[in-house]
Amino acid sequence: NFMLTQPHSVSESPGKTVTISCTRSSGSIASNYVQWYQQRPGSVPTTVIYEDDQRPSGVPDRFSGSIDSSSNSASLTISGLKTEDEADYYCQSYDSSGHVVFGGGTKLTVL
Amino acid sequence: QVQLVQSGAEVKKPGASVKVSCKASGFIFTSYGISWVRQAPGQGLEWMGWISTYNGNTNYAQKLQGRVTMTTDTSTSTAYMELRSLRSDDTAIYYCAREVSVLNHWFDPWGQGSLVTVSS
Repeated sequence: NFMLTQPHSVSESPGKTVTISCTRSSGSIASNYVQWYQQRPGSVPTTVIYEDDQRPSGVPDRFSGSIDSSSNSASLTISGLKTEDEADYYCQSYDSSGHVVFGGGTKLTVL
Repeated sequence: QVQLVQSGAEVKKPGASVKVSCKASGFIFTSYGISWVRQAPGQGLEWMGWISTYNGNTNYAQKLQGRVTMTTDTSTSTAYMELRSLRSDDTAIYYCAREVSVLNHWFDPWGQGSLVTVSS
């Protein structure tokens, strides 16, 4: 099975832009869709990006997703950072057997 | 609205079993799979497995094979996850999540979580 590696933490100031990476250890990142979930402290995970770059209704367009085959990674970019964006972010994908893999999570601090 | 409501917190002794329920509403239960995900205190998300609500087929994480059983009761739109031979490192919040499509394995929404504490 493969692993998804995320930075443990990132921090940025309000109004700025931050990008969180998610690198797949083996197999192509483009082979299977990537989702991104936001989990605020004490709350349930919610989707911010699905199918690599799609935003569910209700998620602001400040959130965007992409994949880069050259680095075999997916990225979540949040622009115009707000204090309410402070949360843990998890990438998620799956293998050909339908086994789901989560990244280790990235703690975003907006200071 | 689409909702998954889980059973309450449980405290179990090592070696015991726990069964967590997840009642669905607001959508056709048999049209979506259900996955179970757990989160140990202060840790990340760990996928435990998936069940088809249509035919009961399952797909478990290798790490939990032999200890976990997922079932459904379509008459009550409820999914269940049973974990046996509990250990202290099974202490976690257990979430059920609707799998929007088996083609993308996108989980939405999630249940509110059920805390399982394993302690002697």
